[in-house]
Amino acid sequence: GAVVSQHPSWVICKSGTSVKIECRSLDFQATTMFWYRQFPKQSLMLMATSNEGSKATYEQGVEKDKFLINHASLTLSTLTVTSAHPEDSSFYICSAQGSGSRTVEQFFGPGTRLTVL
Amino acid sequence: AQSVTQPDIHITVSEGASLELRCNYSYGATPYLFWYVQSPGQGLQLLLKYFSGDTLVQGIKGFEAEFKRSQSSFNLRKPSVHWSDAAEYFCAVVGGSGGFKTIFGAGTRLFVKA
Repeated sequence: GAVVSQHPSWVICKSGTSVKIECRSLDFQATTMFWYRQFPKQSLMLMATSNEGSKATYEQGVEKDKFLINHASLTLSTLTVTSAHPEDSSFYICSAQGSGSRTVEQFFGPGTRLTVL
Repeated sequence: AQSVTQPDIHITVSEGASLELRCNYSYGATPYLFWYVQSPGQGLQLLLKYFSGDTLVQGIKGFEAEFKRSQSSFNLRKPSVHWSDAAEYFCAVVGGSGGFKTIFGAGTRLFVKA
């Protein structure tokens, strides 16, 4: 149990276009999901906390107008990179917070590789 | 503020040798501690976790970790490394405040030589 999927697993887009990444909890409901960014050979950097039915909370230095997050249901959160540029190329990972006795745990998706040309 | 330090950027061990990856944390209360492994281009896989109780925790793939409150450490160990263990390892801490955010260490890259 506690499986999280991401779609797409990789995407290549042209500079200036927008890209949407989906994060789904497949077998549990997730009130809270998290979005991370990981540059090559670096650790995960938390971008934002996504709460179902409310606005996301962004970490300092993350542009909320560029990285739009929507958590419309208890099983789906989306991250839209608007007007993407080459510097947005990165590995994006989402996670879903467990519930009940597993509230402390996060379950990670497999990641999405974004390449902006 | 919570923080996690992994002092070793990379470690090389011979196949069959023992392994210890270091992790130190900074947190005011008893933390929730995790070790994850990441293969290139992949997501994170949970190796083990510590919440409370027995300070020596067993995980998957033959890994174990010991929580030492006096040293603020949660080092990961494996008695005999296999070539397939080559990967990036992240130590992480979750606090009860701030919505259970996970704070990751910088990671340790493990190389295994034949």
